[in-house]
Amino acid sequence: AQTVTQSQPEMSVQEAETVTLSCTYDTSESDYYLFWYKQPPSRQMILVIRQEAYKQQNATENRFSVNFQKAAKSFSLKISDSQLGDAAMYFCAYRANNLFFGTGTRLTVIP
Amino acid sequence: DTGVSQDPRHKITKRGQNVTFRCDPISEHNRLYWYRQTLGQGPEFLTYFQNEAQLEKSRLLSDRFSAERPKGSFSTLEIQRTEQGDSAMYLCASSGGTGGFPTDTQYFGPGTRLTVL
Repeated sequence: AQTVTQSQPEMSVQEAETVTLSCTYDTSESDYYLFWYKQPPSRQMILVIRQEAYKQQNATENRFSVNFQKAAKSFSLKISDSQLGDAAMYFCAYRANNLFFGTGTRLTVIP
Repeated sequence: DTGVSQDPRHKITKRGQNVTFRCDPISEHNRLYWYRQTLGQGPEFLTYFQNEAQLEKSRLLSDRFSAERPKGSFSTLEIQRTEQGDSAMYLCASSGGTGGFPTDTQYFGPGTRLTVL
């Protein structure tokens, strides 16, 4: 069975600083995809970044980057130069066929 | 195109009543997904359609739940004889994948928040 674990229920970061959100997953599949989604308060979930498991290179999207360690089944999200608008729930998700989400990390950005 | 839309955004009902939610996916997307999200949790997969065919259903989708996508466009999720435990956010997502392996990214709607009294 696929499981996704986010061990940090809450994190905070000073504006303009860098923060890393952790995620581990468990799977027996070899082909799969990993995602980070952001869910701002009372707003819809949006995709932040995705990583294909067959790619060794870590994905980056502007200020967002991942550290994908396939052997360790780890997929952390790094947010650089944090902005107030980054405050949200962040969900790590794994996909082979269906999408499995972790329980989320609530990120607070301190001005 | 304005993305995935869901209607209603909020629904309050009494226990035992039936409710129906609608999801309109991004127009060119052939895959449509339903999820349930309870407070403090990540979304949990309920079911998904490729065009009008319902290809997979989670064990979470009890007999009281039924989903349809009659013409491969919008979808409805009906809950019969609602229970207080059904209170949650119901999320719809769509994607534009083709082929046998869903490599595509899912785009989510704003959700329908259901409260069962």
